[in-house]
Amino acid sequence: ETGVTQTPRHLVMGMTNKKSLKCEQHLGHNAMYWYKQSAKKPLELMFVYSLEERVENNSVPSRFSPECPNSSHLFLHLHTLQPEDSALYLCASSLSGGGSYNEQFFGPGTRLTVL
Amino acid sequence: GQNIDQPTEMTATEGAIVQINCTYQTSGFNGLFWYQQHAGEAPTFLSYNVLDGLEEKGRFSSFLSRSKGYSYLLLKELQMKDSASYLCAVMDSNYQLIWGAGTKLIIKP
Repeated sequence: ETGVTQTPRHLVMGMTNKKSLKCEQHLGHNAMYWYKQSAKKPLELMFVYSLEERVENNSVPSRFSPECPNSSHLFLHLHTLQPEDSALYLCASSLSGGGSYNEQFFGPGTRLTVL
Repeated sequence: GQNIDQPTEMTATEGAIVQINCTYQTSGFNGLFWYQQHAGEAPTFLSYNVLDGLEEKGRFSSFLSRSKGYSYLLLKELQMKDSASYLCAVMDSNYQLIWGAGTKLIIKP
């Protein structure tokens, strides 16, 4: 257990559905991240929140919409996804969102399949 | 562009030693991380190097040469539970992590 939880662990959705992924960290960290992990590809950073403010948005399509209501919770709202969006979505947290060395703690991920 | 290279897959024998290499080209350097990821699980932190040299932590060691843009992870006395993917990541000048695609390590009895 890393102190970062994600729900659901598995999600199958159609291209017209709307769903949300949830992440919660119990570590007292101030920064949270969404990553996309596809087979045999590097982790792709999607969004970074530091102290509940979005500080990074790496050209992610608007069909992915993040929300950070407080420093412990992070959501990823999904709508009208494409089959190529099928991947493992990982949430991570760190003590701060910038500056010196900052180990990131990962959740177990949500395996998303878009039909 | 920024790039992290590591082998896609390696195979080793239980009880042996294996070295997983990582080369990088990034905009600035603020440290290099190694993470372990078992199938279907979260990546977990193994090591962090920011100065040249070898950092030892039990059966695992990590080496860094900043002038060569090179690191390796050394695993000794391999156990079956070491079968996993090993991810190399470099923190660039903006303190963003740039990730390699990972090396899948297969341990055979």
